[in-house]
Amino acid sequence: QKEVEQDPGPLSVPEGAIVSLNCTYSNSAFQYFMWYRQYSRKGPELLMYTYSSGNKEDGRFTAQVDKSSKYISLFIRDSQPSDSATYLCAMRYTGGFKTIFGAGTRLFVKA
Amino acid sequence: EAGVTQFPSHSVIEKGQTVTLRCDPISGHDNLYWYRRVMGKEIKFLLHFVKESKQDESGMPNNRFLAERTGGTYSTLKVQPAELEDSGVYFCASSQITSGGAGEQFFGPGTRLTVL
Repeated sequence: QKEVEQDPGPLSVPEGAIVSLNCTYSNSAFQYFMWYRQYSRKGPELLMYTYSSGNKEDGRFTAQVDKSSKYISLFIRDSQPSDSATYLCAMRYTGGFKTIFGAGTRLFVKA
Repeated sequence: EAGVTQFPSHSVIEKGQTVTLRCDPISGHDNLYWYRRVMGKEIKFLLHFVKESKQDESGMPNNRFLAERTGGTYSTLKVQPAELEDSGVYFCASSQITSGGAGEQFFGPGTRLTVL
């Protein structure tokens, strides 16, 4: 069983839609939860970062962590064609430097 | 400020040959990491340096892979001899010294390795 499960998609939505991306994980020791965005031929870029449970909002992006369900989500409001990319969830243990990634969800936002 | 740079961007080699990948971290970042993504799979951790010391090399697949970071600046990852299953994208990342999981890791664009 993978430590982090993420539906690879692809997910295609019209411009302006609300996008919901999510991951589940198996190890309750994870404490740091991240979402990365990766454009084609580029490296992953940190988008959102949450410690333990709760919500975090940054502009059009909202990250949610539900540790009781081992479930994390990323919401994108008013999606734009420039949001088209692969979105990777990632996690780390407290005190750990190793980042554990999900497979990534490919998102297409159509103009 | 320059980000993490990697060289080459793409390498195509024959099975059995040797390839060396290079990573230049962000200036002042003592932590340096190597990750790789093989086709259809998730990005996986290979190893972690703090300055020139290997802190965690639990993700290195086998002894055909050798990572070095002489002088605590740039790092090289050598694959010798290369096998078909080594094909993938190799990412380098760096971060400042922090208390473990809290630090942001900045990723380079990756080196795409193709072994024929």
